[in-house]
Amino acid sequence: GAVVSQHPSRVICKSGTSVKIECRSLDFQATTMFWYRQFPKQSLMLMATSNEGSKATYEQGVEKDKFLINHASLTLSTLTVTSAHPEDSSFYICSASGLWGSEAFFGQGTRLTVV
Amino acid sequence: AQSVSQHNHHVILSEAASLELGCNYSYGGTVNLFWYVQYPGQHLQLLLKYFSGDPLVKGIKGFEAEFIKSKFSFNLRKPSVQWSDTAEYFCAVTIKAAGNKLTFGGGTRVLVKP
Repeated sequence: GAVVSQHPSRVICKSGTSVKIECRSLDFQATTMFWYRQFPKQSLMLMATSNEGSKATYEQGVEKDKFLINHASLTLSTLTVTSAHPEDSSFYICSASGLWGSEAFFGQGTRLTVV
Repeated sequence: AQSVSQHNHHVILSEAASLELGCNYSYGGTVNLFWYVQYPGQHLQLLLKYFSGDPLVKGIKGFEAEFIKSKFSFNLRKPSVQWSDTAEYFCAVTIKAAGNKLTFGGGTRVLVKP
């Protein structure tokens, strides 16, 4: 299958700082990228959907000013957690897919710890 | 909005036992259905998917799933599990109206005892 690379895999940051997470589709053009958050022992919760060149669509309850998503090209999307707080500590996962009906491929996830 | 339900949160079984994980979704239109697996410490991997055609889908590692449209179900099965099947399993759905946005079930944590 296609490869989606997410970087970094782990990051520790101080409260109040911002952290950027990158998601790259390495061998295909991703029409759409999705960002999920996974709490311990829970399922993945969709945070937002981003299409290349347009603003991201955020799910209800997700603060768009806190979780900035940029999808500047068909192979790269970034999630920036701004002014991070300890409660933002979580596992963030991106996925990328092409046209409707195509499979979504997942990145390896980023474990964010805010201290 | 569509939703996905996985009935079992935890399943414990012995090696060589058969496994069946339930998944139901709520949406009356065209859907694509997926089962993903997350091994401890690893990222999500696709086990199998159903888009159209034969409702009995075979995936990797001996897993299969059956789409029963009348029951809105997509149950996952494996006739004989191994210790290495210990993982968390997620059912997911995409609907045409929402593009490729995956809606996940709550997950089922499977522990296979050697």
